[in-house]
Amino acid sequence: QLQLQESGPGLVKPSETLSLTCSVSGDSISSGTHYWGWLRQPPGKGLEWFGSIYYSGVTYYNPSLESRVTISVDRSKNQLSLKLKSLTAADTAVFFCARHLPGVNPFDAWGPGTLVIVSS
Amino acid sequence: EIVMTQSPATLSVSPGERATFSCRASQSVSSNLAWYQHKPGQAPRLLIFGASTRAAGVPARFSGSGSGTEFTLTISSLQSEDFAVYYCQQYSEWRMYTFGQGTKLEIE
Repeated sequence: QLQLQESGPGLVKPSETLSLTCSVSGDSISSGTHYWGWLRQPPGKGLEWFGSIYYSGVTYYNPSLESRVTISVDRSKNQLSLKLKSLTAADTAVFFCARHLPGVNPFDAWGPGTLVIVSS
Repeated sequence: EIVMTQSPATLSVSPGERATFSCRASQSVSSNLAWYQHKPGQAPRLLIFGASTRAAGVPARFSGSGSGTEFTLTISSLQSEDFAVYYCQQYSEWRMYTFGQGTKLEIE
C-alpha cells in the first residue's frame, strides 16, 4: 500500500532554512513512473505547489517560489526532500508531499502533511 | 497564473441529500481539472480528474462535470464520511498548478 510521510522540525526561526523529508513506501521513486512534489497550505488559505522532481533529479519549480526552494531526491532511501530558505512568518503552513504522473496530471497520492511554524 | 475560485466557502447539507460544489477558472483549463477531498489530519484524496473521471476506488455518488472555465462536483446522496473540505485544482498550465480555496462541507 502506497504511503507518503512528511517529517520535519515543526518550529523554525525566521531567516533560517527549512528542511523537510518525505518518506515513500509501497512505491519506488526510482521506478520512474511518477514525479514527486511538494505543496503547502498556510492557515486559512489554499494549497500552493512548490515544485516536482523526477527520479533522475530533473526538477521544475513554481516560478514564484523558485528562488528560495530546492527539491532533491535520495533514491537509496526512497525519499524526497525540500529546502526552503529565508523563512518568514508567512511561510507557516502545513507542508505536503505528493505524487503525479509525468506531463499535466493531478496529484494521485499525498502524505498527511506536517505543520511548520515559523516563529522566533 | 490561472486563479481558481470555489463557491460557496461553506456548504451545509443533511446526510442523504445532494451537495453541489462550484469551481471557476480565470481562463480556460480545458478538462485539466481535478477535485480532492481533505479531512483534518489526513492525506488529501484525489476524487475526480479530467473534470469528470472518478479516481480508482471513488464511490459512484461522486461525479464531476464541466470544461473550460466552469466546473461542478456533485455528491448525489451524502454519507457521514463525506463531510470534509473539497478543493479543485487546475493542472493545465505547466509549472503553475493552482488550487481553489476550498469548500467546507458541513452537516446541517
